[in-house]
Amino acid sequence: GQNIDQPTEMTATEGAIVQINCTYQTSGFNGLFWYQQHAGEAPTFLSYNVLDGLEEKGRFSSFLSRSKGYSYLLLKELQMKDSASYLCAVREGTSGTYKYIFGTGTRLKVLA
Amino acid sequence: DAGVIQSPRHEVTEMGQEVTLRCKPISGHNSLFWYRQTMMRGLELLIYFNNNVPIDDSGMPEDRFSAKMPNASFSTLKIQPSEPRDSAVYFCASSSIIRAHRSYEQYFGPGTRLTVT
Repeated sequence: GQNIDQPTEMTATEGAIVQINCTYQTSGFNGLFWYQQHAGEAPTFLSYNVLDGLEEKGRFSSFLSRSKGYSYLLLKELQMKDSASYLCAVREGTSGTYKYIFGTGTRLKVLA
Repeated sequence: DAGVIQSPRHEVTEMGQEVTLRCKPISGHNSLFWYRQTMMRGLELLIYFNNNVPIDDSGMPEDRFSAKMPNASFSTLKIQPSEPRDSAVYFCASSSIIRAHRSYEQYFGPGTRLTVT
């Protein structure tokens, strides 16, 4: 079946590094996404991984291991504005018939 | 571009009433998604369209929900009759299925906060 697990909440200090993990069980895997969602706002795209390895984009990096069904989002040099929910999502299927499944999100609180 | 546009932003209605949510995707995008978000269940995909054709509606909760996309620039999600458990934030998102256009990235609208009393 389809299942995505990520921690419900995390707390970290401004300037620190935090890693948010995501594990998934799915069939026909075709990409993993991370979205950021501030309270009361819409999700915004952060990263996309379809092959194993690390994708780096500024302060944010995302890692994928398809054999382990595992991904993480790494946030460096944390800032107060990084306080938000981080959603892990998996895409299944092939172009034209994709299914998208979102995790329930990890609420990150950055403390001064 | 104005981004994905949704209306209304807030809707309060009584149980049993019909509710229609509207979405205008980003111009040139040919995939459109309807999501529902609640605290308990997180973000759930209800239905999505490619080139105005519904591809997967397995997330539509029940027959009270219906969605249409009569053209490339407009979609509606209708709930009839509405029930209190339908209270949630409904997001519309769009993307391009053309690989060169970063087809993996969905752009979300601001959402419609629906309250059914």
